[in-house]
Amino acid sequence: QLQLQESGPGLVKPSETLSLTCTVSGGSISSSSYYWGWIRQPPGKGLEWIGSIYYSGNTYYNPSLKSRVTISVDTSKTQFSLKLSSVTAADTAVYYCARGVYGSADDRFDYWGQGTLVTVSS
Amino acid sequence: DIQMTQSPSSVSASVGDRVTITCRASQGISSWLAWYQQKPGKAPKLLIYAASSLQTGVPSRFSGSGSGTDFTLTITNLQPEDFATYYCQQANSLPRTFGGGTKVEIK
Repeated sequence: QLQLQESGPGLVKPSETLSLTCTVSGGSISSSSYYWGWIRQPPGKGLEWIGSIYYSGNTYYNPSLKSRVTISVDTSKTQFSLKLSSVTAADTAVYYCARGVYGSADDRFDYWGQGTLVTVSS
Repeated sequence: DIQMTQSPSSVSASVGDRVTITCRASQGISSWLAWYQQKPGKAPKLLIYAASSLQTGVPSRFSGSGSGTDFTLTITNLQPEDFATYYCQQANSLPRTFGGGTKVEIK
């Protein structure tokens, strides 16, 4: 059974960089059939896609965050990571990592981590 | 960006009821739509993909339909464990976008 687990600081100061890692277990992180993504959810609000990284190494980011986001993958550690720079209180959210199934109409996020709350506060 | 609009934002229903949630895309997305269920404090769970394909392990009382811009998630014979918030998500183009959510509450 595939499992994803987010890790990283739960508190980040304004203007600093938020860094999270997602560790994948029970499956390969190197398959061309899948991609890996980050989604966030501010407290009491809906879901926002942050970005995804594909087997090819290509990355795609939400334009609303693009200038501040970097997603990378470390296949040797079966991990992928999120960095979000210059954070403000508006970046306070539960951050989820997820596996995407690469396809056409059947593209979807089928496995999710449990989520980690990141609070931006001094 | 493709905007996803869900309605209603909340619905009250009883165990055994049939519940229908709609999702409208701001432009045509063919069948590139997924539905997720989220319970408080938990991650979203995939229910439906490609508008009408049931994810493995999801009960058959959940069904999806639609194409183009209008989509529906139907829950028949509502069970106690189905009280949750439901989100649609388009997979047609980047950025991926989600609907605002529909909360299914106990009447």
